Amino acid sequence: DARVTQTPRHKVTEMGQEVTMRCQPILGHNTVFWYRQTMMQGLELLAYFRNRAPLDDSGMPKDRFSAEMPDATLATLKIQPSEPRDSAVYFCASGLVDTEAFFGQGTRLTVV
Amino acid sequence: AQSVTQLDSHVSVSEGTPVLLRCNYSSSYSPSLFWYVQHPNKGLQLLLKYTSAATLVKGINGFEAEFKKSETSFHLTKPSAHMSDAAEYFCVVRSKGFQKLVFGTGTRLLVSP
Repeated sequence: DARVTQTPRHKVTEMGQEVTMRCQPILGHNTVFWYRQTMMQGLELLAYFRNRAPLDDSGMPKDRFSAEMPDATLATLKIQPSEPRDSAVYFCASGLVDTEAFFGQGTRLTVV
Repeated sequence: AQSVTQLDSHVSVSEGTPVLLRCNYSSSYSPSLFWYVQHPNKGLQLLLKYTSAATLVKGINGFEAEFKKSETSFHLTKPSAHMSDAAEYFCVVRSKGFQKLVFGTGTRLLVSP
C-alpha cells in the first residue's frame, strides 16, 4: 500500500535550534508539496517541487526556511533558527501532474 | 487565479440525516476539484475528485459531489450521516497546467446521536 512517509511524527525543540523534517514521496510521483497547518491560518502552501525542481516557494519565510529534494525519494524542509511561531503541523504530499495529491501523516512541531 | 470558498465553518447534523457541505470555486482554467477529509490528529485523505469526466462524482464512505459549472459549485453530500463522519472537510481546486492545490478554509462536521 503506497503512502507518503514523514519523519519525525512529533518534534519538540527549543527556540533557536535547527529543525529538519523529512518526506518520502510515493514512488513514481513527480510533484511534491509542503503545507503547514495551524488553527489560525489553516492550510498554507509553503513550497512545491516538480521533477525535484522548486516551482514555487513563495509561501516560505526565506530567511529561516529552506526546502530541497536531494533525490526523487527524499524531500526535506529545514527551519533554522526555529521560533515559537513555527509551531504547527507540517504536511508533505506527493502526486502526478494534474492529479490529486496524497498526504503524509504530518510532523507536529512544537518550538518552546 | 484560483480560489475556494467553503460557505460554512461548522455543520451539525444528527446521525442518519443527510449531509450537505457547500463549496464554491473560482478558476481561470479548466479546474480539477477535490474533497479531502481530516480526522482529529490525522493526515488528509482524499474523499473524491472531479477531473472533467462525469459531473456527479462518487467517493468513499457514501459521499458524492456534483460539479455545476454554471453555479461554480462542488457541494459534498451524503444521504445518511454516521458518527464516524465527524471530521474536518476541505474543498480543493487545482487548475489545469497549474500545480498548486488551493484549499478552502474547511468545514467541521459534527454528528450527534
